[in-house]
This record gives sequence, structure tokens and C-alpha cells, in this order.
Amino acid sequence: AQTVTQSQPEMSVQEAETVTLSCTYDTSESDYYLFWYKQPPSRQMILVIRQEAYKQQNATENRFSVNFQKAAKSFSLKISDSQLGDAAMYFCAYCDQGGSEKLVFGKGTKLTVNP
Amino acid sequence: EAGVAQSPRYKIIEKRQSVAFWCNPISGHATLYWYQQILGQGPKLLIQFQNNGVVDDSQLPKDRFSAERLKGVDSTLKIQPAKLEDSAVYLCASSFGQGLAGEFEQFFGPGTRLTVL
Repeated sequence: AQTVTQSQPEMSVQEAETVTLSCTYDTSESDYYLFWYKQPPSRQMILVIRQEAYKQQNATENRFSVNFQKAAKSFSLKISDSQLGDAAMYFCAYCDQGGSEKLVFGKGTKLTVNP
Repeated sequence: EAGVAQSPRYKIIEKRQSVAFWCNPISGHATLYWYQQILGQGPKLLIQFQNNGVVDDSQLPKDRFSAERLKGVDSTLKIQPAKLEDSAVYLCASSFGQGLAGEFEQFFGPGTRLTVL
């Protein structure tokens, strides 16, 4: 079974600075998706960024980018120019491509942004 | 575009009582998911529907949990009887499905926070 591990229960960053959240996963599949979801205190889960395993290029969405290392099964999220609104729980998630589509989540990292 | 709707937002019950949660997915989304999120953990899939058929319910405690998606649109998740360990946020999500209408993405509702006393 696939597993997702987030080794940082909590992280903090100063406003306008950069922070990196770590995620590793375990799978025997070669085709899959990886995601970072943000869950603010209101609890609505929002997709931040998505990476297809077959793409070598790292995904980027404005201030959010990933470092996808397929061989190492590592998928970290970098947030640049951190803003107060970035404060939330961040979940790394895995999904087989062509499978049942269910997401397997890590335990999450709580990000605090200090003014 | 309206998002995934869930109700109620909060529910407090005593153990051994029953409770039901409702979810209305985004219009046109064939796939609907129910996740359980216990405090301090990531969401865990309970059941997945494709239209009105069950795709995956391997982690649903079937002795007390049940779910249905009549007519392939909205869905109800029921717990009967509830236990203390059922205290969690129950999240509903929906998607078009992989390879359909663009890249795969699940959209989540606001969740229902259940407290069992």
C-alpha cells in the first residue's frame, strides 16, 4: 500500500521569507500524481499544486513550487515571499494514475507565518 | 461555480446515537468521496462512488457506517451507533475523474465536525 510521510509536524517562517515543507512517499507504481493541499482553520481543503510523475519539470504556481525527486520518492513544497494568508495545515497527497483515484494523505505540517 | 456543499457543519451527539451527514457535489462530477479526518491526522478515505456505484469502501467500518448516493448526485453518510472514536471531521469531495475534463483534481467541501460524547 502507498504511504505518505511528512516529517515536520510544525514549521514557522517570517513574512516575506521562503520556507520548504518536506514530503516522502512510498509506491511501487511508476505513474501517479502528487499534490499539496492547504487547509486553513476554516477547514476547506484547497489544492495548491499538482505534479504528474511522468513530467520531469517541477510544477510551479505563482509563489509555490515543488522539488520532485522521483528516484528518491521525495516531493517538497517551497513557498516564496510568504504571506500571512499562507498560514494553514499543508497536506501532501498521493494518487495512482489510472487506479481508484483515492488520495492517500500524509499527517500534515502546520505552517505559522510570523509578521 | 458552486462548490461542494455539506451539512450540517457541526454535530454533537452522545455515544450509541445515530447521525447522518449530507453532501452535494459539484454539478457534473461523477465521482464522490467521503473522508474521515481525525484531529492531528490527514484525511482517510472511507468510501468512493462513481455515479451511484461504490468503487472503494475497503476502509469503511461497515458494522456501523453506511453511505448511499441515490441517483448519482448527492450522498448521505450515516453512523449508527456512534462511538467515541468516531469524533472527527467528515469531508466530502468530488471530481470529474482522471483524464476527463482536464487534469485530475478533487474538490473538497467544508466538512462536518462530529463530536461524540
